[in-house]
Amino acid sequence: EVQIMESGGGLVQPGGSLRLSCAASGFTFSSYEMNWVRQGPGTGLEWISNINKDGSLIFYAASVKGRFSISRDNADNSLYLQMNSLRVEDTGIYYCARESPPVMVTAVGAFDLWGQGTMVTVSS
Amino acid sequence: QSVLTQPPSASGTPGQRVTISCSGSTSNIGSNTVNWYQQLPGTAPKVFIYTNNQRPSGVPDRFFGAKSGTSASLTISGLQSEDEADYYCATWDDSLTAWVFGGGTKLTVL
Repeated sequence: EVQIMESGGGLVQPGGSLRLSCAASGFTFSSYEMNWVRQGPGTGLEWISNINKDGSLIFYAASVKGRFSISRDNADNSLYLQMNSLRVEDTGIYYCARESPPVMVTAVGAFDLWGQGTMVTVSS
Repeated sequence: QSVLTQPPSASGTPGQRVTISCSGSTSNIGSNTVNWYQQLPGTAPKVFIYTNNQRPSGVPDRFFGAKSGTSASLTISGLQSEDEADYYCATWDDSLTAWVFGGGTKLTVL
């Protein structure tokens, strides 16, 4: 079955760290760019970070740049998000999302496969 | 404040047609294709429209996506109770070098 599954969420104090993992199965993980997207309590979706197929190109949202670090292990079909200096406003559900390639040269991809999400709560 | 602007809510009765708008700028919608995601309560989002107007398999043809200039829209015809969900538009922003989402529109079927 084609799926991705996040883990590693939990309760952490402000200023603390947490490492999220995303395990992929049922597809060739190394053929896809991957993303992290989060959703705060009762709020909308916020893209966090993107990593290309071999991990050589990475992008971050301004809200997490310098604090979060995305990485991947294609041999282990895994995606990671190292979160440092966590803030209360980082609280939310964190989703791992696979990015399908563009269907044409002038298009962008789409997040065609999502995990069920892992909850991160930053509170004292 | 989201980079892409959507109305926070929309509603309609069964059988009606509803359109959800998504407004951006030249660096995002004006330069790139748009995707739409549906999120049912308590579940992960699901892509419903990609590349402006393409439907993944399994998405009813009642859902229609369009883009013009720096705006995009999602039209749902023949509204059904199962369409009640949150809908998000999204695209890549060339200036921010980031994926950007709209704030989401909560669709209520009356």
